[in-house]
Amino acid sequence: SQQGEEDPQALSIQEGENATMNCSYKTSINNLQWYRQNSGRGLVHLILIRSNEREKHSGRLRVTLDTSKKSSSLLITASRAADTASYFCATDHLIIQGAQKLVFGQGTRLTINP
Amino acid sequence: SQTIHQWPATLVQPVGSPLSLECTVEGTSNPNLYWYRQAAGRGLQLLFYSVGIGQISSEVPQNLSASRPQDRQFILSSKKLLLSDSGFYLCAWSVPTEAFFGQGTRLTVV
Repeated sequence: SQQGEEDPQALSIQEGENATMNCSYKTSINNLQWYRQNSGRGLVHLILIRSNEREKHSGRLRVTLDTSKKSSSLLITASRAADTASYFCATDHLIIQGAQKLVFGQGTRLTINP
Repeated sequence: SQTIHQWPATLVQPVGSPLSLECTVEGTSNPNLYWYRQAAGRGLQLLFYSVGIGQISSEVPQNLSASRPQDRQFILSSKKLLLSDSGFYLCAWSVPTEAFFGQGTRLTVV
C-alpha cells in the first residue's frame, strides 16, 4: 500500500512563482525523501529530511517536516520552465537488517508555464 | 562513480510471450537492488528487492519473477505476459539516504 499521499495531484503555475507540494504519510519514519521525475524517465533524488529535522534547504528547494501531523511540504521558489516534472515523496521502511525500502506517494505533476 | 543501467528503454510484447528486463550497477559492491512498477500517472509500487546474490523477496503477488545471478545484476522476468503487466518498470539501488534509479523500461503488452 502507498504510504505517502501528495497534494495536489497536479499543479500549474506561471514561471517565477513559488510551487508548494504537500505529502502525508501514515507510520513513523526515520527520514523522508523527495524525488523528481521528468516525463518517461527515472527518478532523481532531490533532498532528504530526517525525522528530527523540521526544515531543510537546498538551493531553491525548501522542505519542511511535521512529524506530529505526519506531513511534509516541498517548496520550489522562483520556478522555472525546467522545473516541470512530477515530484514524489518517499518514506523509508526497514526490510531486514541493513536494508530499507522506499514507499512512494502518488506524486504531484507540476507544470511551469513560461 | 556509481551508475545504473537498465534496458531496453521500450518494449512491446504480445500477450503470452516471455519477458526479460535487465539492470546492472557499476561502481559499488553488494548493493540493495529493487524493481518498481509505475502505472501511468501514478506512484511507484515496489515489486521485488534483493540484498544479495540469489536473495529475492517479493512485495506483491504477481505474474513476474526476479533473479540476481551476479552481485550487480538484477533481472525481471515473466514466462507469459498479461495485458495487466503493461507499465513503466524501474530498477534502483540504494544507500540508507538515497535511491538511484535507472532510466526505466516502458513495457506495452498487446
